[in-house]
Amino acid sequence: EVQLVESGGGLVKPGGSLRLSCAASGFSFSSYSMNWVRQAPGMGLEWVSSITYSSDYIYYADSVKGRFTISRDNAKNSLFLQMNNLRAEDTAIYYCARDHGWSPLVSWGQGTLVTVSS
Amino acid sequence: QTVVTQEPSFSVSPGGTVTLTCGLNSGSVSTSHYPGWYQQTPGQAPRTLIYSTNTRSSGVPDRFSGSILGNKAALTITGAQADDESDYYCVLYMGSGSKVFGGGTKVTVL
Repeated sequence: EVQLVESGGGLVKPGGSLRLSCAASGFSFSSYSMNWVRQAPGMGLEWVSSITYSSDYIYYADSVKGRFTISRDNAKNSLFLQMNNLRAEDTAIYYCARDHGWSPLVSWGQGTLVTVSS
Repeated sequence: QTVVTQEPSFSVSPGGTVTLTCGLNSGSVSTSHYPGWYQQTPGQAPRTLIYSTNTRSSGVPDRFSGSILGNKAALTITGAQADDESDYYCVLYMGSGSKVFGGGTKVTVL
C-alpha cells in the first residue's frame, strides 16, 4: 500500500525558513515523479512543485519560484521542500503527492500545516 | 495564464445523477491533459477518484466515472449518496511538469 507521510510543518515568522519532509513507503520510490501541493485555509488546491524520479527535471509554480526548493533522496525514500523567505500567503496545509506515469497526483499524504505569522 | 474552470456548486437528490465539468479558459481539455478528479471533505486530505480521464482509483465505487464531454473533462456521479456531499476538484497536466487545479465544486446532496 502506498504511504506518504509529511512532517516538518509548524509556525514560522515572515521571512523565515522551514524544511518539509515526506517519507514514502509501499512502492518503488525511485521510479516515480513526486510533487508538493498546498491548500490555504478555506481555499482550493494549488500545485507547488514537482521533481522527476531521477531529479533530472524540477518545476515550480510561479508563486514559489526562487524561494522554494524541492529535492529527493531515493536511498532514503524521502521527498523534501525547503521553503525560504516565507510569506503570510504561504500559510497552508502542504501535501506530498505521487504521480502515476503521466497521470498527475494520484496518491496523497495527509498533509502538514505551515503557518507563517508574526 | 491558464485557468481551469469548474462549476462553483451543484445540488443533487439522493439517488440522482450529477455531472461536474472541468474546462480551460482557452482551448479544449483532452486526454493529453490526463484529467484527474478528487473528493475532499472538511479536515481531510484529497481522495483520488479518477485519474487519466477515466481510470478509477483503487477502492472507488463504480458510480463515479470520468470522461471527456465536448471540450471538457467530466465527472459523473450516478446514484448519489449522502456521503458524496463533498468538494470536488479537477486537475490538468499542462506540460513541462506543471499541473493546474480547478477552483472546486461543492456538491450538496438533498
